Amino acid sequence: IVLTQSPATLSLSPGERATLSCRASESVSSYLAWYQQKPGQAPRLLIFDASNRATGIPARFSGSGSGTDFTLTISSLEPEDFAVYYCQQRSNWPPGIFGGGTKVEIK
Amino acid sequence: QVQLQESGPGLVKPSETLSLTCTVTGGSVNSGSYHWSWIRQPPGKGLEWIGYINYSGNTNYNPSLKSRVTISVNMSKKQFSLMLNSVTAADTAVYYCAMGLPTLFGNYWGQGTLVTVSS
Repeated sequence: IVLTQSPATLSLSPGERATLSCRASESVSSYLAWYQQKPGQAPRLLIFDASNRATGIPARFSGSGSGTDFTLTISSLEPEDFAVYYCQQRSNWPPGIFGGGTKVEIK
Repeated sequence: QVQLQESGPGLVKPSETLSLTCTVTGGSVNSGSYHWSWIRQPPGKGLEWIGYINYSGNTNYNPSLKSRVTISVNMSKKQFSLMLNSVTAADTAVYYCAMGLPTLFGNYWGQGTLVTVSS
């Protein structure tokens, strides 16, 4: 299975809405997660099973989708949200595969 | 609060075995739903899933690494380990351990450790 994230880079200003896409080469049902990674830090789980926010994640982060098409939305970008975002699936072989990432940068 | 910490050599020679340990502190590992994973990130690149072991001792490995990887867990010590043999320069990366409950999605991560493969 392959996870394809788009766009590779998203240039936005604080306060704007960010929409990130993750497309699976075959259906993963709702078994997809989103992570945020800042430079020099480990990834942080944001969303699990497509639409469930992990503990402590602000409400401006939301996930949607099922099957092969998934979206991570950040409703209004805060300065600390500029980072790289990865999706990961746990449905199909091999479980645990990550997408290539989307960098959200300041415009 | 659960914390994970990777430990092991930062430099490994080509053709040798990379060996890392992840120690879990601040929480219990006595749950039938835990998954303990290893992930790596080559410098400037994305995340690569290496594999995981669950509470039952079942393992799953990335097919691209399967012939060289072993993941094991010692719950009495609250540690899980990674062994990657026959390493080359392409295995140079930051290696992360992660723990997922109740799925393999990593709720908790170590800070990562850079392993360089060089003679």
